[in-house]
Order: sequence, then structure tokens, then C-alpha cells
Amino acid sequence: GQQVMQIPQYQHVQEGEDFTTYCNSSTTLSNIQWYKQRPGGHPVFLIQLVKSGEVKKQKRLTFQFGEAKKNSSLHITATQTTDVGTYFCAGRAGGTSYGKLTFGQGTILTVHP
Amino acid sequence: NAGVMQNPRHLVRRRGQEARLRCSPMKGHSHVYWYRQLPEEGLKFMVYLQKENIIDESGMPKERFSAEFPKEGPSILRIQQVVRGDSAAYFCASSIDGGELFFGEGSRLTVL
Repeated sequence: GQQVMQIPQYQHVQEGEDFTTYCNSSTTLSNIQWYKQRPGGHPVFLIQLVKSGEVKKQKRLTFQFGEAKKNSSLHITATQTTDVGTYFCAGRAGGTSYGKLTFGQGTILTVHP
Repeated sequence: NAGVMQNPRHLVRRRGQEARLRCSPMKGHSHVYWYRQLPEEGLKFMVYLQKENIIDESGMPKERFSAEFPKEGPSILRIQQVVRGDSAAYFCASSIDGGELFFGEGSRLTVL
């Protein structure tokens, strides 16, 4: 079945440093979504990417979807302590715009002040 | 518009008992997903339902687990004869069109 892998599993940064997490799927995706989960909280939707090679920005966050629609990345510029949490990518198999959403195992980000 | 409501937030059961977890989706949402999460692990897909229909249950264990989303009322995830390995956080999410998922705050099951 479809597998979504994320690296790194953990990332510790000093406040102000940049952070990147990478997501790879074993199969072509129809779309990819990113979620953030604060410690003790629930996942919250950040963004969805649909088009091959798509790049979207939200303030200090930059999201990319690979040309082959099998990988994605999230980059945070100049991290802040409020960025702490686990970042998940989640993908749907090619050909479906709804249905099963497979999550990666997440990257746990710690930001040291 | 209230968010996705899950209850109970915390549930303690002894081995062999039944656990029932409820999820009321956001108003107007007809797509419901259940995920299971162990500490510091990812979200493992269990089941995807639309009103009165199970669309994809490929992540559900074949035994002891069942889910429903009736025409009226919340979606229910039922675990029969719980074992210690069932201890986890169970998240429900709803969607209006299967796109962006809105998650509830989760139900944390502890099996003694």
C-alpha cells in the first residue's frame, strides 16, 4: 500500500535558525497536505498543494510539491518558539481528490530560545 | 460553527471491556475519518466514512473494531474486548468535500 515517509523525525534548532522537513511518497499523489500538531493538541491544517512543482508561501513558511508529485517539503525561515510542534505531511493516492489521506510519521520541531 | 466534537476526551477501560468513541462532525460535513495515534508517532488511518456508508476501512483491524456514521447522530468508533495495545489517542476528522480535514481534540483511551 501507499507509504509516506518524512525526515527528519526530530529537529532541534535555535530560535532564528531555519528548518526544513521532507516528505516522500512511494506512489504518485493527487495532492499533498501539511498539518501542524502542538504538544498535547490536535492536528491543524496548514495548506494543500495540488499542482506539479507548486510552491506556496504563508509568511515564514514555504511549501513545495515536487515535479513528479511524489515528494514535498516545508521550510520555515527564522524559526520562533511558537513554531514548536510536530509537522505532518499527508497525501492522497493519484487519481483521487478525496478519500484516504495517508500521513507521514511527522517531524517533531523543538525551538530553543 | 462549532468544530469537530469528540467524546469522551478521556476513557479508561479494563481489558475485555468495550470502548465507544463518538464524533460529531462540523455542520455540513459529510466525510468522517478516524485516525489512531501513539505517543510521538504519526497518525495511522483507520476508516473513512460518509453518511451511512463505510468508504474505506483498510486501516481497521479485522476483529474487535467497527465504525459507523448513521444518518442521524454522531459517528461511532467501537472497540470490543479492549487490550492494552489499544491504548492510544483516537482522532476524528471531518471534511466538507474530502479535502482539508478538521480534527477534533481526540479521545484518549487507556486500557488497564
